[in-house]
Amino acid sequence: LAKTTQPISMDSYEGQEVNITCSHNNIATNDYITWYQQFPSQGPRFIIQGYKTKVTNEVASLFIPADRKSSTLSLPRVSLSDTAVYYCLVVVGVGDKIIFGKGTRLHILP
Amino acid sequence: GAVVSQHPSWVICKSGTSVKIECRSLDFQATTMFWYRQFPKQSLMLMATSNEGSKATYEQGVEKDKFLINHASLTLSTLTVTSAHPEDSSFYICSAGGLAGLTDTQYFGPGTRLTVL
Repeated sequence: LAKTTQPISMDSYEGQEVNITCSHNNIATNDYITWYQQFPSQGPRFIIQGYKTKVTNEVASLFIPADRKSSTLSLPRVSLSDTAVYYCLVVVGVGDKIIFGKGTRLHILP
Repeated sequence: GAVVSQHPSWVICKSGTSVKIECRSLDFQATTMFWYRQFPKQSLMLMATSNEGSKATYEQGVEKDKFLINHASLTLSTLTVTSAHPEDSSFYICSAGGLAGLTDTQYFGPGTRLTVL
């Protein structure tokens, strides 16, 4: 299982774009990069998943360079409700176990 | 789609009793379910992998006789904490995967807060 490294915490302000970068140097060919969001006392919520280049959905974008050794989650125009812990994970598929790292605690300030 | 539920959402029990937590995939069939526990301010720790119709695979350091897992159908897995003690108090979260036709990921339940007195 590929190990991921991401910043422990980040602060930003409402309305700003937030970019959280994750490194996964030993990512395997079949691994997908997945990001989850977790609020206190709730289960993680799936945000976005990608394999290469760029993926965008209604809540975020995911940028993955050609070597796939890192990825960047981009949250456009954050609000106070985006304050949460964000986890970067690499997984093969739905049957693959997920090992969580420490995640990034994002704090949005007014 | 991809909704996973857990029941109960919280439970308080006396030391020495057993507690059962249910995890259901509401709108899809989950061939694999996972159980995690999370202590305050910490990350999720994988406890076991549960495959429908077969024995669960436990992570190193997790007592299989204490944390009984049953995955009897494609939509239901249960975790029973036997002879619970205060140190078992934690937030237990399940996840399920298996959306047909997609290389998809796992979806998590809302969690169950267990407090052992």
